[in-house]
Amino acid sequence: GAGVSQTPSNKVTEKGKYVELRCDPISGHTALYWYRQSLGQGPEFLIYFQGTGAADDSGLPNDRFFAVRPEGSVSTLKIQRTERGDSAVYLCASSLGARTGADETQYFGPGTRLLVL
Amino acid sequence: GENVEQHPSTLSVQEGDSAVIKCTYSDSASNYFPWYKQELGKRPQLIIDIRSNVGEKKDQRIAVTLNKTAKHFSLHITETQPEDSAVYFCAAKGSSYKLIFGSGTRLLVRP
Repeated sequence: GAGVSQTPSNKVTEKGKYVELRCDPISGHTALYWYRQSLGQGPEFLIYFQGTGAADDSGLPNDRFFAVRPEGSVSTLKIQRTERGDSAVYLCASSLGARTGADETQYFGPGTRLLVL
Repeated sequence: GENVEQHPSTLSVQEGDSAVIKCTYSDSASNYFPWYKQELGKRPQLIIDIRSNVGEKKDQRIAVTLNKTAKHFSLHITETQPEDSAVYFCAAKGSSYKLIFGSGTRLLVRP
C-alpha cells in the first residue's frame, strides 16, 4: 500500500514568509508525528497527534510553529515569520497508534526540505 | 532530559567484514528501540527493532542486542555489502510516544 507522503518535496522561501508543509499518513494510522532533521543530525521530535488532537507538542521550538490535523488524517505544519535557522528537512511519520507492540512502529515520509533565504 | 548517544559517528569497513554501532539512552522508562537506515536524500527506513522484554533479535545479517541494566543497545551487521553504506540512526521510546534519536553513524562499506 501507499506509504507516508509529504508535499512539497522542496520549499524555498524568504525570511519572514509563512509556509505550510503537508503530510498524508498511511491510511488507518491514528498516530502522526512531525520531526525536524538538520544536516548531519538525527530527527528531532516536534509534535505528536493521536487522532485530531495534539497529544504532545513539547518539541515545537516556539510559537511560530503550529500544526493541525482537523479530520484525523492529513496534517499541516505551519511556520510563521520564517527564519534562516528554520532551514531543515521536516519529516512526518505515522503509526497505527497503540502504545506498545508492533502497532507503535513509526513509518516515515520522504520529508520536505525547507530552505529559508 | 531524554537523551540517546550514538557512536561511532563514522565507520568504514571492508566488504564482508562486520560493523557494530552502539547507543546508550538516559530514560530508564524506555521500552522500544528501533534502528533506521537513511540513504542520502531519502526517508529513514526501519531495519530492525527490539523491545525491552527481549535481549537480542536477529534478522538475516542484522542483529540488535539490548542491555537494560546498562542502558545500552547495539546494531550488528555481518557480511557487509556496499549497499549497506548509509547513515544509521538508533532511537529510544519511553513512556511517551516520541522517538529520541541518536546523532547517526555514517557507514561506508569499501568494495
